[in-house]
Amino acid sequence: AQSVTQLGSHVSVSEGALVLLRCNYSSSVPPYLFWYVQYPNQGLQLLLKYTTGATLVKGINGFEAEFKKSETSFHLTKPSAHMSDAAEYFCAVSGPGGTSYGKLTFGQGTILTVHP
Amino acid sequence: DGGITQSPKYLFRKEGQNVTLSCEQNLNHDAMYWYRQDPGQGLRLIYYSQIVNDFQKGDIAEGYSVSREKKESFPLTVTSAQKNPTAFYLCASSLGAVQETQYFGPGTRLLVL
Repeated sequence: AQSVTQLGSHVSVSEGALVLLRCNYSSSVPPYLFWYVQYPNQGLQLLLKYTTGATLVKGINGFEAEFKKSETSFHLTKPSAHMSDAAEYFCAVSGPGGTSYGKLTFGQGTILTVHP
Repeated sequence: DGGITQSPKYLFRKEGQNVTLSCEQNLNHDAMYWYRQDPGQGLRLIYYSQIVNDFQKGDIAEGYSVSREKKESFPLTVTSAQKNPTAFYLCASSLGAVQETQYFGPGTRLLVL
């Protein structure tokens, strides 16, 4: 079965600093990879996704992520944090690495705090 | 505007009571999903439906039931058999294929009285 590990349940950065949220997946076959953001008491919003093609994916709000097959990683970055980036971030994977029909497997989430 | 609506926003359940959470989408998506969110555990799949009148158990289906009588609706019932129902419940929909984005509703928070 697929699994997703997000290193660090809490990450704290200063406004203007680099944001790096880590995500590793377990699959011998490259899956499809997603990053979602969740603000308090709201649903999830897609930041970006990797399906095929270019391994550096750009998303909304200045975020990007790089798919590294050799490291089974899909880390999320943003060059300069903004106060509005404070939220919980989820990495997720879906097939073809074993999961069925659009089923997403989520990591545990990383809460990002941004200090003034 | 197209999107997914969930109601109610907050729901209270008494001991031994069944409660139903509503999920409606007007995105014309074939697939719909129910997730349960608990702090520090990410989201876990309860049930999913690929087409009308068909649905499959997810990872934590015990104590829950669903129906899919219409393409746009996928209600979730939390039965009295679910002994720990307090959680945030999220409904999602997608075009269905594995690479397609899932779009999420705003969620329903279920609390036990």
